[in-house]
Amino acid sequence: EVQLLESGGGLVQPGGSLRLSCAASGFTFSSYVMSWVRQTPGKGLEWVSTISGPGGSTSYADSVKGRFTVSRDNSKSTLYLQMNTLRADDTAVYYCAKLLLKLPYNWGQGTLVTVSS
Amino acid sequence: QSVLTQPPSASGTPGQRVTISCSGSSSNIGGNVVHWYQQIPGTAPKLLIYSNDQRPSGVPDRFSGSKSGTSASLAISGLQSEDEADYYCAAWDDGLDGPVFGGGTRLSVL
Repeated sequence: EVQLLESGGGLVQPGGSLRLSCAASGFTFSSYVMSWVRQTPGKGLEWVSTISGPGGSTSYADSVKGRFTVSRDNSKSTLYLQMNTLRADDTAVYYCAKLLLKLPYNWGQGTLVTVSS
Repeated sequence: QSVLTQPPSASGTPGQRVTISCSGSSSNIGGNVVHWYQQIPGTAPKLLIYSNDQRPSGVPDRFSGSKSGTSASLAISGLQSEDEADYYCAAWDDGLDGPVFGGGTRLSVL
């Protein structure tokens, strides 16, 4: 059974940094493209970033480009999202997702990031 | 505003058939597959339909999906109380070079 478990969320001040992790199990992690998707009550679901199986190819939504960095450690079956220069509008529940046909197939349970002073 | 357009709400009575629409453009739905998700408030989205009309194992055949041109639809037949949830469509967008989502439809079972 595929399991994705996010961690690392919390309260951070504007301009601060946070690193999210997503521990994967139940599938061959290195073979799958993975993504981060966030959800806010106001803006709904929003794609954040995607990384290829080997980790050499990444892409980002314009709203986070230059501030967020996605990475993975296939030896640990773990996906990461380094978030810098955080803003209030980054406040959301962040989900990691295993993709099928370039869209989320399996989702983690999510981790809440709150950016506030 | 979401790239894909869904009605904000839908409703039906137990046993009825309900459809939820998802409208896009040639850069997303028109040229790519559509997935549908069900989300119970407070939980993560769950895949309901993939590749326009395919059901993952474990999803009842009461749920079906279709796509035509730049629009897609999710149909739920034999509506049950446990179907009360938010439903989202998603498609890859060639222009944005990433997935885009609908704003979600809240389904109420009256």
